[in-house]
Amino acid sequence: DVKVTQSSRYLVKRTGEKVFLECVQDMDHENMFWYRQDPGLGLRLIYFSYDVKMKEKGDIPEGYSVSREKKERFSLILESASTNQTSMYLCASRPGQTYGYTFGSGTRLTVV
Amino acid sequence: GEDVEQSLFLSVREGDSSVINCTYTDSSSTYLYWYKQEPGAGLQLLTYIFSNMDMKQDQRLTVLLNKKDKHLSLRIADTQTGDSAIYFCAPLDTGRRALTFGSGTRLQVQP
Repeated sequence: DVKVTQSSRYLVKRTGEKVFLECVQDMDHENMFWYRQDPGLGLRLIYFSYDVKMKEKGDIPEGYSVSREKKERFSLILESASTNQTSMYLCASRPGQTYGYTFGSGTRLTVV
Repeated sequence: GEDVEQSLFLSVREGDSSVINCTYTDSSSTYLYWYKQEPGAGLQLLTYIFSNMDMKQDQRLTVLLNKKDKHLSLRIADTQTGDSAIYFCAPLDTGRRALTFGSGTRLQVQP
């Protein structure tokens, strides 16, 4: 089975901190995605990547950046964490553009 | 971009059928997915339908697609308490080749 692993299940950070959320997949998938999930809003796309060193903005990229230096790892960076970035963050990957995603278990981030 | 609408809540009795509905705006969506999220977990792919199909059946799950009305539904037969979860409809946005998710429908199954 494909595994998508998110490094932390729960994180608490202070306002203004730089935060790194890590995601690793073990099946050589080309495409990787970061979403945030908020009650009543569903999942919103932050950034995605079709291949190593490639990145595309999603619907809500403001306040975030990403890094994909290796195929298996896709990092989400909150440059200066703010309380409105408190959310569940979900990473996903897929082998090609018409396949469904495999999701990680999520990181619940609280910014205080 | 794509907009996806789902009702927020559905309650059914154990053994009944559940029908979860979804409407979307991008008529060129080629693949349409259904995901399930159990409490505290990530999303699990349940099934999908290709846009040239009207119906797909997979054990207790039936997906119906009405392309003209841009309406997708997921029917769960003989609903069990283990089916209690949030269900997300996710068409493939053909422009940027990413999935757009609805707000999710919380299914509550009463024993």
